[in-house]
Amino acid sequence: NAGVMQNPRHLVRRRGQEARLRCSPMKGHSHVYWYRQLPEEGLKFMVYLQKENIIDESGMPKERFSAEFPKEGPSILRIQQVVRGDSAAYFCASSLSRESGSPLHFGNGTRLTVT
Amino acid sequence: AQTVTQSQPEMSVQEAETVTLSCTYDTSESDYYLFWYKQPPSRQMILVIRQEAYKQQNATENRFSVNFQKAAKSFSLKISDSQLGDAAMYFCAYRSADSNYQLIWGAGTKLIIKP
Repeated sequence: NAGVMQNPRHLVRRRGQEARLRCSPMKGHSHVYWYRQLPEEGLKFMVYLQKENIIDESGMPKERFSAEFPKEGPSILRIQQVVRGDSAAYFCASSLSRESGSPLHFGNGTRLTVT
Repeated sequence: AQTVTQSQPEMSVQEAETVTLSCTYDTSESDYYLFWYKQPPSRQMILVIRQEAYKQQNATENRFSVNFQKAAKSFSLKISDSQLGDAAMYFCAYRSADSNYQLIWGAGTKLIIKP
């Protein structure tokens, strides 16, 4: 299956620990997007990356959150010193291009629980 | 700023019957896209149907169809011959024509199918 792969599916962290969420885009896709979904809400855009570059991080909290998409390997969303408010489902999507007609393909998300 | 409103937190329908999910949006743009996504318990975000604002014809995909009223800024989803597998959260989403990732999401409607 060449879909968007996210792991882990579930992640539990204690307050103050670090969380690392991984996303492998669809084969051939070089554009990756991260979204956050709080309970009872739709997705909120966080960051858009294209191989080795951050294109748009306007939705990313200024502190503790970072994202990367290295030349080799998956995209990583990193949350340092997690707090209870970081508990959410984090979704990754990928696309073939950034053209407006290029559809997004979503992964199954990672559910982060901070205890 | 654009907003998307889904006024029905939960809807239920008898299997094989028809149900309509409501969505309204607010925008000052003339060119945009509207989407309905399905999120089953597996959490995957699945595209159900998409509508380009410049097209007057309502989009259809098998048992799924939309009623797009551009002047009223309304975009409802009709599911015909409801099946148990249709049970899920349904999200309405908007995006501008000049971006493929800045999606604005509604809060979702939980659809329950009664056997």
